[in-house]
Amino acid sequence: SSELIQPPSVSVSPGQTASITCSGDKLGDKYACWYQQKPGQSPILVIYQYNKRPSGVPERFSGSTSGNTATLTISGTQAMDEADYYCQAWDSSTVVFGGGTKLTVL
Amino acid sequence: EVQLLESGGGLVQPGGSLRLSCAASGFTFRSYAMIWVRQAPGKGLQWVSAISGSGGSTYYADSVKGRSTISRDNSKNTLYLQMNSLRAEDTAIYYCAKAQRGSGYYDAFDIWGQGTVVTVSS
Repeated sequence: SSELIQPPSVSVSPGQTASITCSGDKLGDKYACWYQQKPGQSPILVIYQYNKRPSGVPERFSGSTSGNTATLTISGTQAMDEADYYCQAWDSSTVVFGGGTKLTVL
Repeated sequence: EVQLLESGGGLVQPGGSLRLSCAASGFTFRSYAMIWVRQAPGKGLQWVSAISGSGGSTYYADSVKGRSTISRDNSKNTLYLQMNSLRAEDTAIYYCAKAQRGSGYYDAFDIWGQGTVVTVSS
């Protein structure tokens, strides 16, 4: 079955740019999206179809793809962005989630 | 307001059964695919099952295939997950979520419920 690989953790200083990657076989041929989840809360969709933002998601969140890797970029990272981030795709009749990346803002 | 509200979780013994429900409001329920996702304590998101808007197409993760049944009642705007032969490893928060694009699309989910807790223990 398909697998999406994310780094377990990423650290960033406030105001700097954070990048979180998600790698998977032929990921560039599928739509990938990203969710943010804070402790005790439900996931929130922050990027879909690689680089589109739902209404209400700050402009500092952006997405891109290159080859088999999708990337979530947070520009001007704020303390409130500290959370777990998950990528997700649909492949071979399966919804696949990445293992998640804990973003620490320090 | 678009909203999903799960219910039906609880404490169940190994081998037991539960039926989870997800009541939808604020959107045309029948026009969107839906999924169930679970999250074990301290772990990441794990997809459980998906269903098309009409209910005619269903999909299951290998971990629950043969033990769970997803269904929906579009007249009641409600999604269900029947879980049988429950195991300790099924212990998790179970979320329902709405597809962002429509009936047969599963590439992003834009509305999530608050979750319902399932604990499998003797």
